[in-house]
Amino acid sequence: SQKIEQNSEALNIQEGKTATLTCNYTNYSPAYLQWYRQDPGRGPVFLLLIRENEKEKRKERLKVTFDTTLKQSLFHITASQPADSATYLCALSNTNAGKSTFGDGTTLTVKP
Amino acid sequence: DAGVIQSPRHEVTEMGQEVTLRCKPISGHDYLFWYRQTMMRGLELLIYFNNNVPIDDSGMPEDRFSAKMPNASFSTLKIQPSEPRDSAVYFCASSLSGGDYGYTFGSGTRLTVV
Repeated sequence: SQKIEQNSEALNIQEGKTATLTCNYTNYSPAYLQWYRQDPGRGPVFLLLIRENEKEKRKERLKVTFDTTLKQSLFHITASQPADSATYLCALSNTNAGKSTFGDGTTLTVKP
Repeated sequence: DAGVIQSPRHEVTEMGQEVTLRCKPISGHDYLFWYRQTMMRGLELLIYFNNNVPIDDSGMPEDRFSAKMPNASFSTLKIQPSEPRDSAVYFCASSLSGGDYGYTFGSGTRLTVV
């Protein structure tokens, strides 16, 4: 069955450093991979979508890579700030708007 | 647009009662999803619609759960009868095919069945 694993439930880093979150998957060949941010008591918020034929995508301080050979995506936040503290979820799908399967998330804490 | 609107925000009900959750998607979006989130199981897809038609309801846990989308601007998720194990946060989300914008989630309904 499809399985998505996000690295360690929690990640703590110092302000200004680069945070790197990992999303690994098995028994799946997704065409799209998405990253979301979720704050306590709120719904997930879409950040970035990357296609299987794209190696890397950037948006401001965010960078996502997608390696279909390793079956892995890396999500980087450069120059991290305490406001970046949240849970980050990856999601895999075969279409850019249809059914997605979500990972359990990694909770990032950026300390001042 | 005000985003995806869910109601109620919180619902506390007694075991055995009927619960109805409501969702208004973003105007123009052609997909609508119902997810459930718990600490133990994370975000689970219950059912999704495309152009108001149910496409995949394999995630609906039991016959006690049902969902409808009578028109493009409204959907309901009903649990009858409710049980304590249904306690969770239920999210509605919508998306637009052909765009790389992901899902827009509502704020969720926190359901507590006592």
